[in-house]
Amino acid sequence: AQTVTQSQPEMSVQEAETVTLSCTYDTSENNYYLFWYKQPPSRQMILVIRQEAYKQQNATENRFSVNFQKAAKSFSLKISDSQLGDTAMYFCAFMKLSGGSEKLVFGKGTKLTVNP
Amino acid sequence: GAVVSQHPSRVICKSGTSVKIECRSLDFQATTMFWYRQFPKQSLMLMATSNEGSKATYEQGVEKDKFLINHASLTLSTLTVTSAHPEDSSFYICSARDRKYYGYTFGSGTRLTVV
Repeated sequence: AQTVTQSQPEMSVQEAETVTLSCTYDTSENNYYLFWYKQPPSRQMILVIRQEAYKQQNATENRFSVNFQKAAKSFSLKISDSQLGDTAMYFCAFMKLSGGSEKLVFGKGTKLTVNP
Repeated sequence: GAVVSQHPSRVICKSGTSVKIECRSLDFQATTMFWYRQFPKQSLMLMATSNEGSKATYEQGVEKDKFLINHASLTLSTLTVTSAHPEDSSFYICSARDRKYYGYTFGSGTRLTVV
């Protein structure tokens, strides 16, 4: 079974600075997707970024980028120029693409606080 | 982008009654929808996978008779919490995948309080 581990329960960063959230996963699959979701106090889950495992190039979305290390099974999220609105829970998630069973496996989350 | 609408956002019900939560994909067809439960300060726990026109697939430990799921059309799935008890109080979230891309869109969630 796939597992996703987020080793940082809480993190904080000063506004405008850069922060990196860690995520590791365990799988024997070769084809899969990885995601970072953001859950602000409103509790709406928002997709931040996704990465296809077959792509070597790291995904980027504006201030958000990932460092995808497939061999190490690591998928960290870097937030540049942090903003107060980035304060939220961040969940790393895994989805395999084979076997017919389609579901997201979530990590336990990292609570990020951006301080003014 | 893909939008999933979930209603109600909050509901309070008396113990022993049933509550229905709706999840609709507004601008895409979703053959598969997912229902999660989230306890305070915890991650999302998948309860079941809802398949259009067929029975839902429940995760281990989830009571099928308590959490009834119906996926009657390509845009609507419902979760009914039957004979609710205070321990069923939680935050329930649905999601669906637009098959045009790999990614899940989530509803805004339903906070259920059973008194």
